Amino acid sequence: DGGITQSPKYLFRKEGQNVTLSCEQNLNHDAMYWYRQDPGQGLRLIYYSQIVNDFQKGDIAEGYSVSREKKESFPLTVTSAQKNPTAFYLCASSIGQRGNQPQHFGDGTRLSIL
Amino acid sequence: DQQVKQNSPSLSVQEGRISILNCDYTNSMFDYFLWYKKYPAEGPTFLISISSIKDKNEDGRFTVFLNKSAKHLSLHIVPSQPGDSAVYFCAASASLAGANSKLTFGKGITLSVRP
Repeated sequence: DGGITQSPKYLFRKEGQNVTLSCEQNLNHDAMYWYRQDPGQGLRLIYYSQIVNDFQKGDIAEGYSVSREKKESFPLTVTSAQKNPTAFYLCASSIGQRGNQPQHFGDGTRLSIL
Repeated sequence: DQQVKQNSPSLSVQEGRISILNCDYTNSMFDYFLWYKKYPAEGPTFLISISSIKDKNEDGRFTVFLNKSAKHLSLHIVPSQPGDSAVYFCAASASLAGANSKLTFGKGITLSVRP
């Protein structure tokens, strides 16, 4: 059954700690994305990758880092530089790079600060 | 500057009636529009899309209308069902911008369908 898997579903971070959120897809999609959702807000783009070994900053990349070593995997690291990391994080993928294709989402990771 | 606006934060509709969810945009380069449905603690699910070369796209109970001159689109759900109760996000992209085109999302509308 094809889809996007995000793990863990819930994650807690201590002050000064880096944490990594996992995103795996078996849809054979080229493009992958990370979004952040805050209460009452839309989805804001953190990073995106259109092909393996390449990624671009989105609108709110500060305090985050990503890698794209494999087509199916796009992990997001929330670094200690991100001062307000509490949010719902969503990973998505799409078939190609063009903007006229829908993105399909995982079920998200909720990150909280201890 | 919010380029995709969903000005009504919530909508309540009786089961069986029509739900109309509205969305406005400001960027004239947007030419591809999508609607997503989201339940709490889950990821958004793609519902329906429309290209700017069309003014209407229909899929079962869901129809999206696009008015380019007014920079306005709407999602119609007929008939509304209690299972439709969710947050609906409007999104847009400038697909002709090429490989770097991205989706821009509105803040969402919470739809409640009353039995």
